[in-house]
Amino acid sequence: GESVGLHLPTLSVQEGDNSIINCAYSNSASDYFIWYKQESGKGPQFIIDIRSNMDKRQGQRVTVLLNKTVKHLSLQIAATQPGDSAVYFCAENLKTGANNLFFGTGTRLTVIP
Amino acid sequence: GAGVSQSPSNKVTEKGKDVELRCDPISGHTALYWYRQSLGQGLEFLIYFQGNSAPDKSGLPSDRFSAERTGGSVSTLTIQRTQQEDSAVYLCASSLARGPYEQYFGPGTRLTVT
Repeated sequence: GESVGLHLPTLSVQEGDNSIINCAYSNSASDYFIWYKQESGKGPQFIIDIRSNMDKRQGQRVTVLLNKTVKHLSLQIAATQPGDSAVYFCAENLKTGANNLFFGTGTRLTVIP
Repeated sequence: GAGVSQSPSNKVTEKGKDVELRCDPISGHTALYWYRQSLGQGLEFLIYFQGNSAPDKSGLPSDRFSAERTGGSVSTLTIQRTQQEDSAVYLCASSLARGPYEQYFGPGTRLTVT
């Protein structure tokens, strides 16, 4: 079964505020983690990934934090925009070096203009 | 370059019929994955192809589901004797070789079994 889970199924934020989406995982053998964004009627879109030898990685307006001690992953979105409204999924590979991913159930982010 | 493409985009079939779903991965990507997404749910891993290696079929829910990948490129997911619980969006993704690396997803095929 999947070991990836999310603390909050829905999140509403004001436009311009920062968003934080959290994810818990239970498999210490996972060495690759990834965040996807999925808009209605579309396939998931890659946002950012991180490997277990790192604890932070930054992209454009997004930051992923990995805390292996408590098996926690988070996605931070700076200056959230209406176009960020979507469902966000975290995923892990469950086994060191494995390619296939196992996804959590997702968090719906709604940005209030 | 072109992304992952899938066809058909929508498929309505009667219970008990067989269906075939097609995936064209990104050129140069040797890894190909199939997932299933039920309404409002996360993605469920089905099967994974890597080059010429034997596929990882550990996610297939029953023996009615099978998949092939011809010539290391195009893949077909076949569902035999479809059931109403098979109704879902079937997503295909591809990635570079030995990784793990990010997977690039197609738009999916929405399957409805009536």
